[in-house]
Amino acid sequence: ETGVTQSPTHLIKTRGQQVTLRCSSQSGHNTVSWYQQALGQGPQFIFQYYREEENGRGNFPPRFSGLQFPNYSSELNVNALELDDSALYLCASSLPLVSYNEQFFGPGTRLTVL
Amino acid sequence: GENVEQHPSTLSVQEGDSAVIKCTYSDSASNYFPWYKQELGKRPQLIIDIRSNVGEKKDQRIAVTLNKTAKHFSLHITETQPEDSAVYFCAASIGGSTLGRLYFGRGTQLTVWP
Repeated sequence: ETGVTQSPTHLIKTRGQQVTLRCSSQSGHNTVSWYQQALGQGPQFIFQYYREEENGRGNFPPRFSGLQFPNYSSELNVNALELDDSALYLCASSLPLVSYNEQFFGPGTRLTVL
Repeated sequence: GENVEQHPSTLSVQEGDSAVIKCTYSDSASNYFPWYKQELGKRPQLIIDIRSNVGEKKDQRIAVTLNKTAKHFSLHITETQPEDSAVYFCAASIGGSTLGRLYFGRGTQLTVWP
C-alpha cells in the first residue's frame, strides 16, 4: 500500500506570485482534503475533492483553488500570494464511505512567502 | 460550523506518569473523533479514533473516552515515555459521509521528561 506523498517539500515565493502544490493519495483512496497549518496552530480545512469534484470548502478566498485528477491525485493552487499564506500545506486522503472518515496525511509542503 | 476546543496547550509529565488531554466540540452531528500525533517537522499521524456509538476505546497505552451528552472527549496516555513527546491534536468530523472535513483543536505540546 502506497502512502500519501506531496511535492515539493519546501517552496519559497514572493508576494503576488502563484504556486501549485501536488498530492498523490494513498492507493485506493478517492477523496483528498487540503489543510493549511500555520505555525503553532492546528490544521485548517481548505477544501476537499471527492471523485474529481470539489466537495466542501472552508473559509478560504477564491484565490485558493484546486483540482483532482482521474487517478485521484490532486493539486492546490494559490494565486496572488500574501505573507499570511506562509504555512505548512497538508493533504490527506481517505475513503469516506468505506472506512468512515479516517484521513491519512502526507508529509506536507512548507511554503514561505517573502 | 463545528468548534473544537483543546486543553491544555502544554503538558509536562515525568516518564511513567499518565497524561490526559481534553477536547470539547459544539456540533451534535459530529460522530467521529480522531487523535493525531505530530512530531516536529513531520506529518500528523493518526494514533487512535473513536466513533460516537462507543464510549471508550483502548490501544495498548493509549485510550480515548467520549461523552456525547457533554460533547467532550479525552485522550489518556499511561506509562508515558520520552518518545511520546510531540504535539497532539484532537479533531471532530461527520464520519461515514462524503462531507468528512476534520475540525482540529489547537494542539497540546506534550513533553515527557526522563
